[in-house]
Amino acid sequence: EAGVAQSPRYKIIEKRQSVAFWCNPISGHATLYWYQQILGQGPKLLIQFQNNGVVDDSQLPKDRFSAERLKGVDSTLKIQPAKLEDSAVYLCASSLARKWDEQYFGPGTRLTVT
Amino acid sequence: GDSVTQMEGPVTLSEEAFLTINCTYTATGYPSLFWYVQYPGEGLQLLLKATKADDKGSNKGFEATYRKETTSFHLEKGSVQVSDSAVYFCAALNDYKLSFGAGTTVTVRA
Repeated sequence: EAGVAQSPRYKIIEKRQSVAFWCNPISGHATLYWYQQILGQGPKLLIQFQNNGVVDDSQLPKDRFSAERLKGVDSTLKIQPAKLEDSAVYLCASSLARKWDEQYFGPGTRLTVT
Repeated sequence: GDSVTQMEGPVTLSEEAFLTINCTYTATGYPSLFWYVQYPGEGLQLLLKATKADDKGSNKGFEATYRKETTSFHLEKGSVQVSDSAVYFCAALNDYKLSFGAGTTVTVRA
């Protein structure tokens, strides 16, 4: 069974530029999560989708971050414009519907903002 | 909101040593508790979990017991190997949201 795929694995941009991350969840997983992991901290949930609807985006900085999950499968997380403090690893995870206790994580995208 | 506090690292051990990583949580109600592990260059993987008080989760020689009285979920392994070198995260699940601790880096030397 293929795992959660993410791309790119690494990205370096300058502040005020924009960037997008892509996630392909495990086939059949209705729930998709985006986490932000700043160096030295644990992952923090940014947004959670159930199919293509948003369940929770309370921690998403909506002035610069956006996410979508068209057709309830792949998802894209965008930052525009990026700030230095956005440097982090962005993790995507997926699970079966409402199986929040069985989340499968992708390898993450490491973003460096200079 | 919920929060998880775990022992600061890094922790360096010799092979076959005993490992313990402390974890405590603050939550409303009784969350499910987890330990995740992140090996170098890999994504987070679930190591073990416990869903109610006094439950013991175990996997790959690691154990942790859900202690409601002390709101703790300490991770232990009796004899570590070099391959156990990784970052370990404690987490609590309340409703649908996972809250993670800051992670503890463990290095095991041969």
